[in-house]
Amino acid sequence: GENVEQHPSTLSVQEGDSAVIKCTYSDSASNYFPWYKQELGKRPQLIIDIRSNVGEKKDQRIAVTLNKTAKHFSLHITETQPEDSAVYFCAASATDSWGKFQFGAGTQVVVTP
Amino acid sequence: ETGVTQSPTHLIKTRGQQVTLRCSSQSGHNTVSWYQQALGQGPQFIFQYYREEENGRGNFPPRFSGLQFPNYSSELNVNALELDDSALYLCASTLSGANVLTFGAGSRLTVL
Repeated sequence: GENVEQHPSTLSVQEGDSAVIKCTYSDSASNYFPWYKQELGKRPQLIIDIRSNVGEKKDQRIAVTLNKTAKHFSLHITETQPEDSAVYFCAASATDSWGKFQFGAGTQVVVTP
Repeated sequence: ETGVTQSPTHLIKTRGQQVTLRCSSQSGHNTVSWYQQALGQGPQFIFQYYREEENGRGNFPPRFSGLQFPNYSSELNVNALELDDSALYLCASTLSGANVLTFGAGSRLTVL
C-alpha cells in the first residue's frame, strides 16, 4: 500500500521568511496530492492540491511542486505570517482510491513575529 | 449548503465498552470516509462508505465497523474499546469519483 513520509516534523521560522515541507510517497499509482492545514482543535482544511499531470501550482503565498520521477512533492509558504502557524499534512491517493488518503505524520510550523 | 457535521464532539468510555459516532455528509456528497487521528499523528484511513456499502478499508480490525444510510449519513462503531482507540475520529465526505475531502470537526474519544 501507499506510504507517505513527511519532513520535518517541526519547523520554526521568523515572520517573513519562507517555509518548505517535503513529502515522499511510494505508490506509483498515486496521482493526487493535497495539503491540509490543521489549527489546534480544528478540522483539517484543504489549502492546495496538485495532480500528477502538473509539476507546480501556486496560490498566492502558497505553492506546491511535484516530482513524479522521484516520488516527492513539497509545500512552499513564502512571506510567512503568524497565522500560518499550524500543523500541515501532506497526503496522497490514486484515482481508483478516491477519498482514501494516506497522510504524512504532519509538520508543526511555528511562525515567530 | 451545509458542511460535514459530527456527533458527539467529545466522549469518554472505559475499556471493553462500545461506542457509536455519527456523521452527516456535506450536501451533495454521497461518499463518507472515516479517519482516526491519534495525538500528534496524521489521520489514518479506517474505511469508506459509498452506496450504503463499505468501499475500501484500511488496516483496522473488524471491531471497527460502520454504516451508511440512504441520506448518505454514516456511523462508525467500535466494539471492545482499547486504550489505544483514544483519538480524534474524523469523518470526511466527497462526491463519488472526486478526491477533494471535506472534513468534519471530529469526535474526540477518550478510553480509560
